[in-house]
Amino acid sequence: AQKITQTQPGMFVQEKEAVTLDCTYDTSDQSYGLFWYKQPSSGEMIFLIYQGSYDEQNATEGRYSLNFQKARKSANLVISASQLGDSAMYFCAMREDSSYKLIFGSGTRLLVRP
Amino acid sequence: NAGVTQTPKFRVLKTGQSMTLLCAQDMNHEYMYWYRQDPGMGLRLIHYSVGEGTTAKGEVPDGYNVSRLKKQNFLLGLESAAPSQTSVYFCASSTGTSGRNTDTQYFGPGTRLTVL
Repeated sequence: AQKITQTQPGMFVQEKEAVTLDCTYDTSDQSYGLFWYKQPSSGEMIFLIYQGSYDEQNATEGRYSLNFQKARKSANLVISASQLGDSAMYFCAMREDSSYKLIFGSGTRLLVRP
Repeated sequence: NAGVTQTPKFRVLKTGQSMTLLCAQDMNHEYMYWYRQDPGMGLRLIHYSVGEGTTAKGEVPDGYNVSRLKKQNFLLGLESAAPSQTSVYFCASSTGTSGRNTDTQYFGPGTRLTVL
């Protein structure tokens, strides 16, 4: 069954340091996409980064990169040079090619300390 | 370019009342979705639409109905609200043209609904 697991309910990071948010997934499909969204305290869901199952290189978007390890079924988000504005909930999500829906994990709350 | 907008932002209902949530997008997206987010959980898909005039059930469709009469609008209806429907509701849209697994969904700001 398709499932997303985020094992870190909350994390702290010092400003300007890097942080890794964990995400593992379970699917029987060969073709799927992995997404990370940020949800600040204001509540909106902001798309950060995407990784396709057939992409050979890890995705990067500015300070965000996705550490994709297909054999381990993990898609960890790495935020470099953390900023205070990075404090938020972060959700990992997956969409199988055979489905229209995004499956979300339970999220990780990140707090950046000054 | 407003992206995805939702009306209203907040609403309080009594059990048994009905209401409609409106989602509008100005990105000419083909696909639209309604999700709900409960405390401590990620989003779950209620209903979705892959084009004007089409709708389909998602993961948690019971107690909700939807309509997509115009491409840019997707309405979510609660005919008889129940306390279990207290949640934050998010609308999303996507192009639907690049293949399902690559099709990024963009979300509206959410509607916080409380059913007493």
